[in-house]
Amino acid sequence: NAGVTQTPKFQVLKTGQSMTLQCAQDMNHEYMSWYRQDPGMGLRLIHYSVGAGITDQGEVPNGYNVSRSTTEDFPLRLLSAAPSQTSVYFCASARDGDTEAFFGQGTRLTVV
Amino acid sequence: RKEVEQDPGPFNVPEGATVAFNCTYSNSASQSFFWYRQDCRKEPKLLMSVYSSGNEDGRFTAQLNRASQYISLLIRDSKLSDSATYLCVVFDTGRRALTFGSGTRLQVQP
Repeated sequence: NAGVTQTPKFQVLKTGQSMTLQCAQDMNHEYMSWYRQDPGMGLRLIHYSVGAGITDQGEVPNGYNVSRSTTEDFPLRLLSAAPSQTSVYFCASARDGDTEAFFGQGTRLTVV
Repeated sequence: RKEVEQDPGPFNVPEGATVAFNCTYSNSASQSFFWYRQDCRKEPKLLMSVYSSGNEDGRFTAQLNRASQYISLLIRDSKLSDSATYLCVVFDTGRRALTFGSGTRLQVQP
């Protein structure tokens, strides 16, 4: 029972590089989301999706893109990494937006 | 003003103590409320949902006061294993997304 799988667990990027954080869930959840967590700021919503083919912006979407071509996968793309994007990123899935969210183990990203 | 506000703590309590956390939220239209627990360097996990009538799960009791827009979590007979950060979470009906407080850190000491 994998749940939500996030890769990679750790990543160091140089300023200006791009990369994709992968997220997959095997619970057939329609709702998926990406958060970033910074010290003292809690989790902030980056983007979310209520189903395949549908995505929407959260609180802090700038510098990130998402797509949802299948129910299972919800990758997050950093277009041109900046030091301000140094953070811990969590992917989550849920049956619906107001039901229990299951989180991946997180990606610790450092941009130098 | 933050949408969901919590005292960051830390709350340092001895084993066996009772400890209470409060959280306030700004959106009066919010309908769903939760407490999540996050261990150091781990992902958040649902501790319990919070219902209007209040609910209890073993040593944990959650209360919701809609008039004052606050949510509480009471932990009785604290265990060392309760040491963690407790996140107050509110469902934003407009955005259809969860809004997290920044968390309250609890340290239970022997």
